[in-house]
Amino acid sequence: AQSVTQLDSHVSVSEGTPVLLRCNYSSSYSPSLFWYVQHPNKGLQLLLKYTSAATLVKGINGFEAEFKKSETSFHLTKPSAHMSDAAEYFCVLSGNTGKLIFGQGTTLQVKP
Amino acid sequence: DTGVSQDPRHKITKRGQNVTFRCDPISEHNRLYWYRQTLGQGPEFLTYFQNEAQLEKSRLLSDRFSAERPKGSFSTLEIQRTEQGDSAMYLCASSLGTSGGPKEREQFFGPGTRLTVL
Repeated sequence: AQSVTQLDSHVSVSEGTPVLLRCNYSSSYSPSLFWYVQHPNKGLQLLLKYTSAATLVKGINGFEAEFKKSETSFHLTKPSAHMSDAAEYFCVLSGNTGKLIFGQGTTLQVKP
Repeated sequence: DTGVSQDPRHKITKRGQNVTFRCDPISEHNRLYWYRQTLGQGPEFLTYFQNEAQLEKSRLLSDRFSAERPKGSFSTLEIQRTEQGDSAMYLCASSLGTSGGPKEREQFFGPGTRLTVL
């Protein structure tokens, strides 16, 4: 079975400090993994994707994620948070038919 | 704007009524997916089409739900005899994929249809 677990439902950081959103996955296949962001009243937007090439993946808006097979993790990081980063973040696994399996989401709060 | 549109954006209905939602994918995309997102949760897969063929349905899709994609273009999702538990955001996504091809193609999401069942 395939599943995604986001380890924190809510993360709060101060503007200018690093962001870490944690994600573990379970997959019997070689996984394709994504991070999507959802701003209030807006659609889901792809931040980055891992597709078995480089294990360190760079995305939009300064976000990065590192695929660690030994730890079955795909944590999302950003060196310096901006107020505009406040949103809901989803770690996502692609199933064998292309359907997406979402984690429960992490709400990122950025304090001034 | 991702290029995927959904209509209506909001729907309020009374329990027991039927509702239908429409999704227009990016024109060259052959795959179309429906997901449901309830408050505080991540989206859950409902069903998907490759061209006009419905290839997979989730167990979440009870017999009150039906989806179509005639001619492999737009898709409709109908819910019959709505229940309060059907209240959710219904999301549509499209992608370009091939059988046996890479599964990591990006899915582009529409803005969703928010359904409220009173």
